Amino acid sequence: GNSVTQMEGPVTLSEEAFLTINCTYTATGYPSLFWYVQYPGEGLQLLLKATKADDKGSNKGFEATYRKETTSFHLEKGSVQVSDSAVYFCALSDRDGTSYGKLTFGQGTILTVHP
Amino acid sequence: DGGITQSPKYLFRKEGQNVTLSCEQNLNHDAMYWYRQDPGQGLRLIYYSQIVNDFQKGDIAEGYSVSREKKESFPLTVTSAQKNPTAFYLCASSPLRTAGANVLTFGAGSRLTVL
Repeated sequence: GNSVTQMEGPVTLSEEAFLTINCTYTATGYPSLFWYVQYPGEGLQLLLKATKADDKGSNKGFEATYRKETTSFHLEKGSVQVSDSAVYFCALSDRDGTSYGKLTFGQGTILTVHP
Repeated sequence: DGGITQSPKYLFRKEGQNVTLSCEQNLNHDAMYWYRQDPGQGLRLIYYSQIVNDFQKGDIAEGYSVSREKKESFPLTVTSAQKNPTAFYLCASSPLRTAGANVLTFGAGSRLTVL
């Protein structure tokens, strides 16, 4: 079956530090990959996505590249802000036409950014 | 503005009681989903529905029930058979596609606590 593994948190950084959150996956076929973000007390919001190998998703200064050879989709940001403090989820979706929006999520990584 | 409305935001239940969580969307999405979120475990799929009057079990459907009488609505009932119902419940919706990346839109969530 499908699975997603994220680096364990929590991650604590100072403002303007570089961020990496690792994500690796196991899936049959060629899944689509996502990063979602959850701010305190809220639902999840899509941060970025990639649908095929070597695609780079980007949004709000965050980037992630779909690496098929290493089955990874690591999230990076060059300079974090206090407002980036949230929980980050890596997820995948099958592309076999029967699974539609069913997502498999990683366990989430808590990020705290201090001024 | 289009979106997903979940209610109530907080709910307390005594053991042995059934409770129903509401989820309404005005995005004209065909597919709707219920996920359960527990600390450190990511999100797990409870039920999903692709069309009215049809729904499928997800990974952890035991102790839950759903209905899909209208396209806009997908209520979740947590029954007394659910052994550990205290959790954060998230409803989501997406367009229906046969391939490609289906992006889910999430509601703000409902936090259920069993006393």
